[in-house]
Amino acid sequence: QVQLQESGPGLVKPSQTLSLTCTVSGGSISSAGYYWSWIRQHPGKGLEWIGYIYYSGSTYYNSSLKSRVTISVDTSKNQFSLKLSSVSAADTAVYYCARQHRGTSAFDYWGQGTLVTVSS
Amino acid sequence: QSVLTQPPSASGTPGQRVTISCSGSSPNIGSNSVNWYQQLPGTAPKLLIYSSNQRSSGVPDRFSGSKSGTSASLAISGLQSEDEADYYCAVWDDSLNGPVVFGGGTKLTVL
Repeated sequence: QVQLQESGPGLVKPSQTLSLTCTVSGGSISSAGYYWSWIRQHPGKGLEWIGYIYYSGSTYYNSSLKSRVTISVDTSKNQFSLKLSSVSAADTAVYYCARQHRGTSAFDYWGQGTLVTVSS
Repeated sequence: QSVLTQPPSASGTPGQRVTISCSGSSPNIGSNSVNWYQQLPGTAPKLLIYSSNQRSSGVPDRFSGSKSGTSASLAISGLQSEDEADYYCAVWDDSLNGPVVFGGGTKLTVL
């Protein structure tokens, strides 16, 4: 059974960089056929896809966040990470990592989510 | 403003059948399969229906999905109190909106 777990600071100051890591267990992040994604949910709102990475390192980002987002992968640790720069209160959200079937919008395994608050 | 349009709310009484719609366009629903997610309060979303009409493992057959043209629907028959949740559609989008877009979500209330 694949499991994902987000980790990182729950509080980030405005203008700083939000950094989260997702640790994958029960399966290899190097498995062909899957992307590894970040998705966020603003309080009381819907889901917003942030971006994904393939184990090879290729990435694709939501155009609305592209200038501020970097997703990286560490296959040796079975982890992938999210960096979101120049954050503001509008980036306060629950951040989820998830496994995505390649070429689809099917996210079959999700982390439990982590709330990141942007505040001074 | 979501690329995929869902009604913000839906409701039904126990035992009833309810449907939730998801309206899109040619580059998304018109070209790709739709996935549906159920999000219970305080939990991560769960993949409910994939490839427009396939139930994920363990999902009761009360849940079904369909797609026609640029629209998709999730139907829940024999409504139960535990079905009260938020439901989201998602699709791969071949346009500049993509590649992954979610609907705005529908809050289902079991009366």
